[in-house]
Amino acid sequence: SQTIHQWPATLVQPVGSPLSLECTVEGTSNPNLYWYRQAAGRGLQLLFYSVGIGQISSEVPQNLSASRPQDRQFILSSKKLLLSDSGFYLCAWGRPSAETQYFGPGTRLLVL
Amino acid sequence: AQSVTQLDSHVSVSEGTPVLLRCNYSSSYSPSLFWYVQHPNKGLQLLLKYTSAATLVKGINGFEAEFKKSETSFHLTKPSAHMSDAAEYFCVVSDLNDYKLSFGAGTTVTVRA
Repeated sequence: SQTIHQWPATLVQPVGSPLSLECTVEGTSNPNLYWYRQAAGRGLQLLFYSVGIGQISSEVPQNLSASRPQDRQFILSSKKLLLSDSGFYLCAWGRPSAETQYFGPGTRLLVL
Repeated sequence: AQSVTQLDSHVSVSEGTPVLLRCNYSSSYSPSLFWYVQHPNKGLQLLLKYTSAATLVKGINGFEAEFKKSETSFHLTKPSAHMSDAAEYFCVVSDLNDYKLSFGAGTTVTVRA
């Protein structure tokens, strides 16, 4: 069966510090991978998605970036965090050419 | 473009009574529709999905949803609410062109003892 992991589970960072959130998927090959952000009281916003190694599509221009160095690894990064980057970050995977997405447990980020 | 509207931001029910969460969609073609549930500080769990097969879709934990094309609706129901059903529920539509999901704003369900 497939599983998706995210870490860390919770992170508190000062404004201006860098960020690296990691997502890995097990039990499948060549998945589509997604990063979402869920701000307090708001819905889910798609940030990035990837259909293969090194292939990243950005949905919202901002100070975040994503990378996919391996088939089942998806990383969300920032060089300098802003207060507005606080939120709940969710990674998801889906099979190629399939619509259903399966979500990880999420990372709670608080920028102070 | 596809979109969904969840008609209630908050629903409160008593334990053992029916739950109804309303969702309307907008799509230029026959869409794929999903319901996800999110418990506090957790990821999203797929409850059920409609992909142009049977219009009445059964999901996990006793939930079901009915696709009504004439009403452009995909309402979620459960005959008898349980305390563990307290969570946020998202109605979601898929764009078949690129498999991106569009999420509704969510409905928070409270279950009273």
